[in-house]
Amino acid sequence: SQELEQSPQSLIVQEGKNLTINCTSSKTLYGLYWYKQKYGEGLIFLMMLQKGGEEKSHEKITAKLDEKKQQSSLHITASQPSHAGIYLCGAPGENDYKLSFGAGTTVTVRA
Amino acid sequence: DAGVTQSPTHLIKTRGQQVTLRCSPISGHKSVSWYQQVLGQGPQFIFQYYEKEERGRGNFPDRFSARQFPNYSSELNVNALLLGDSALYLCASNPTGPVYGYGYTFGSGTRLTVV
Repeated sequence: SQELEQSPQSLIVQEGKNLTINCTSSKTLYGLYWYKQKYGEGLIFLMMLQKGGEEKSHEKITAKLDEKKQQSSLHITASQPSHAGIYLCGAPGENDYKLSFGAGTTVTVRA
Repeated sequence: DAGVTQSPTHLIKTRGQQVTLRCSPISGHKSVSWYQQVLGQGPQFIFQYYEKEERGRGNFPDRFSARQFPNYSSELNVNALLLGDSALYLCASNPTGPVYGYGYTFGSGTRLTVV
């Protein structure tokens, strides 16, 4: 089964600073989803990446997919308190519909 | 438009009991997937249903079962509850089922506590 490793496990960033979260897969990536989760709540869809080299941005969040490295990164520019939460990456298998998720990265934004 | 709705939001059960969780997908979505998220971990896939048929099952014991109704809503049943079943149970819907390329929208989850 596919395993996704996220790094770091947690990070604390000063408000206004940038941060980057990485998601590395044990197998070939056929696409990747990024979600955000508030503690104990549901997952909020952020972005879906489908092709190697693809990069998407929404507001201050940018995600990239590097198929060769079997890796995706999520970058937040000028972080705000609203960016605090748990960020999860999820990926399907080659002929698979189920998503395998990483353990998540907890982001804390300090004022 | 309503998103994915799950009920109940919280539930406390005793070991050995049975529980039923409910999910209504986004209108027009024909696929529902169930995930279990234990505290501190990422969600784990349990089931996917598409057009009322099971299309996939994760590595969960037979105590876990599910079904999808003609209106595409779904129920997840867990029998003989164990303490380890305590988790957040998430439902996700997407338009097409087992076809990648469409986003999965998750509900807010049902928090199950087994005591």
